[in-house]
Amino acid sequence: EIQLLEFGGGLVQPGGSLRLSCAASGFTFSSYAMSWVRQAPGKGLEWLSAISAGGGDIHYADSVQGRFTISRDNSKNTVYLEMNSLRGEDTAVYYCAKVMWVGELIITIFDYWGHGTLVTVSS
Amino acid sequence: EIVMTQSPATLSVSPGERVTLSCRASQSVSSNLAWFQKKPGQAPRLLIYGASTRGTGVPARFSGSGSGTEFTLTISSLQSEDFAVYYCHQYNNWPPHFGGGTKVEIK
Repeated sequence: EIQLLEFGGGLVQPGGSLRLSCAASGFTFSSYAMSWVRQAPGKGLEWLSAISAGGGDIHYADSVQGRFTISRDNSKNTVYLEMNSLRGEDTAVYYCAKVMWVGELIITIFDYWGHGTLVTVSS
Repeated sequence: EIVMTQSPATLSVSPGERVTLSCRASQSVSSNLAWFQKKPGQAPRLLIYGASTRGTGVPARFSGSGSGTEFTLTISSLQSEDFAVYYCHQYNNWPPHFGGGTKVEIK
């Protein structure tokens, strides 16, 4: 059974930092691109970042470019999202998602999702 | 950046009714369009990809159509478990982008 489990959410002050982790199991993690998506309270889904299977291709949404960094450790079956210079508008539930197709090319069809971790940015 | 616009924002429907949701892209995304279902407190669920291909385990009452800039998700006979928010999502260009969602609520 494929499982994605996010960790690391919590309360952080504006300007602060947080690192989210997503532990994957049930599939060959090193063969699939991964992504992060968030949902702010009362808002829709917002794609944030994606990383290829080998980690060599990375993309960001403009809203987080320069503040967030995605990375992965294929030996630990884990993808990370390092978040810096956090703002109130970054308050959201953060989901990691598995890309459907195997291979280095990133095609952002997400077939499995974690249940999310809540990040609250507030003083 | 391609902008995805969904309509209507909210749809009030009775169980058993046929439901049609619309999604429009600001420029062509070919058939690179997916639909997701989102319920409160749950992870999103992939329903449709490639504009018309059902995801694994998705019931046949869900169908997708369209290409280019106009897309439709149809639920042939709404079940109680289908009340949720539905999002379209284009993956033709970077950055990928979700529509604003259509909430399907009980009438």
